[in-house]
Amino acid sequence: EDQVTQSPEALRLQEGESSSLNCSYTVSGLRGLFWYRQDPGKGPEFLFTLYSAGEEKEKERLKATLTKKESFLHITAPKPEDSATYLCAVGHGRGSTLGRLYFGRGTQLTVWP
Amino acid sequence: EPEVTQTPSHQVTQMGQEVILRCVPISNHLYFYWYRQILGQKVEFLVSFYNNEISEKSEIFDDQFSVERPDGSNFTLKIRSTKLEDSAMYFCATRWGDYGYTFGSGTRLTVV
Repeated sequence: EDQVTQSPEALRLQEGESSSLNCSYTVSGLRGLFWYRQDPGKGPEFLFTLYSAGEEKEKERLKATLTKKESFLHITAPKPEDSATYLCAVGHGRGSTLGRLYFGRGTQLTVWP
Repeated sequence: EPEVTQTPSHQVTQMGQEVILRCVPISNHLYFYWYRQILGQKVEFLVSFYNNEISEKSEIFDDQFSVERPDGSNFTLKIRSTKLEDSAMYFCATRWGDYGYTFGSGTRLTVV
C-alpha cells in the first residue's frame, strides 16, 4: 500500500535554530513529491515539487531535497512566521498523467522568539 | 496570484440533509479535485475530474457523493443525506500540468 510518513509529528525551535523535517514514502509510479505549508483553518499552500532523486529546490529559508526513499525540508534560521504545519504529499502516476496525491500527517512546526 | 475560491467558508447542516460545496477553479486549469481533512487527520483524496467526467475516485467517494461542473466555471461537490462522520474541511484543488496543485481555503462542514 502506498504510504507517506512524516517525522517528527511536532517540532519546536527557537528563532534562528535550523532543523530538518523528514518525509519517507513508498509509492509505485512516483510522479512528483510535493511540500505544502498549512496554516490553521486554511488550505495547503504550495511550496515545492521534486521529481527525481538528487533534485533540490530552495525558497527563502526553506530547502527541499529528494532521494529515492525520502525527502527533507531544511529550515535555515527560522522565524516565528514560519510556524505552520508542513505537509508532504506524493503524486501517483496514472498512465501518462499525474493522479491523486497521498498526504502524510504533517509536521507541526512552532518557532518561538 | 490566481486563486481557487471556495464557498461557503463554513456550513452547518442537519444530519440527513443535502449540501452543495462550490469551487471556482483557476481559469486555465484543466484538472479539478476534491479532498477532505477530518480534524486532526490526513488530507484525503475524494475525486478527480477532467474533461467533464470523473477520472478517478477513492473508496470514500460512494453513492452519497457527486460532482459536476454545471456552467463551465463552477465545480461542485454534492453530499446527499449527510452523516455526522462527513464533518470535515473540504478542499477543492486544481492544476494544469504535472505541477503543484493549487488548493482553495476550504469549506468547513459541520453536520449536527
